[in-house]
Amino acid sequence: GAVVSQHPSWVICKSGTSVKIECRSLDFQATTMFWYRQFPKQSLMLMATSNEGSKATYEQGVEKDKFLINHASLTLSTLTVTSAHPEDSSFYICSARDQGYTNTGELFFGEGSRLTVL
Amino acid sequence: GNSVTQMEGPVTLSEEAFLTINCTYTATGYPSLFWYVQYPGEGLQLLLKATKADDKGSNKGFEATYRKETTSFHLEKGSVQVSDSAVYFCALSDPIQAGTALIFGKGTTLSVSS
Repeated sequence: GAVVSQHPSWVICKSGTSVKIECRSLDFQATTMFWYRQFPKQSLMLMATSNEGSKATYEQGVEKDKFLINHASLTLSTLTVTSAHPEDSSFYICSARDQGYTNTGELFFGEGSRLTVL
Repeated sequence: GNSVTQMEGPVTLSEEAFLTINCTYTATGYPSLFWYVQYPGEGLQLLLKATKADDKGSNKGFEATYRKETTSFHLEKGSVQVSDSAVYFCALSDPIQAGTALIFGKGTTLSVSS
């Protein structure tokens, strides 16, 4: 199957700083990537859909200016948490769709990034 | 709209017990259905999938059958192991909008003790 890699896997930062998380598709080109946030009670919340070469589409209630998403190439999408605060602490997971799996809708997930804001 | 409902956890079993995690869905058309597994501190891994009615997905001893008549995709395993302890997510793909994200259930935590 296709491989998606996230970096860093965990990060601790001070309140008010910005943190960038990278999501890479290692062996396929991903025109679309998705960013999820996972809350302590397991549920996955879709934050945004990242499209290569265009602006991301954010889900209702997600602050565009706080969670900046850039998808500059077919293998890389980045999520930047700007001016992070403790309430932004969470597990962020990216996923991508290999075009060869478009018909089934299957997504491939990164390992996740644990953000802790002090 | 499309949605997935799966049984609330946690599910606690002894090793070698039979496992069922219920999942039902609401969708217009014919979605593909998935079970993903998340081990502690990790991302999600595809466990199995089914793309049309009556398909049975299977992997690592887990099975799930796409039942259109009951709009269900229940996950089963005949004999669980301690290593199966994880969170299990049922999901569907929007059959109309192929490029959209998967829709997930809330997840069910499975804890298996020896």
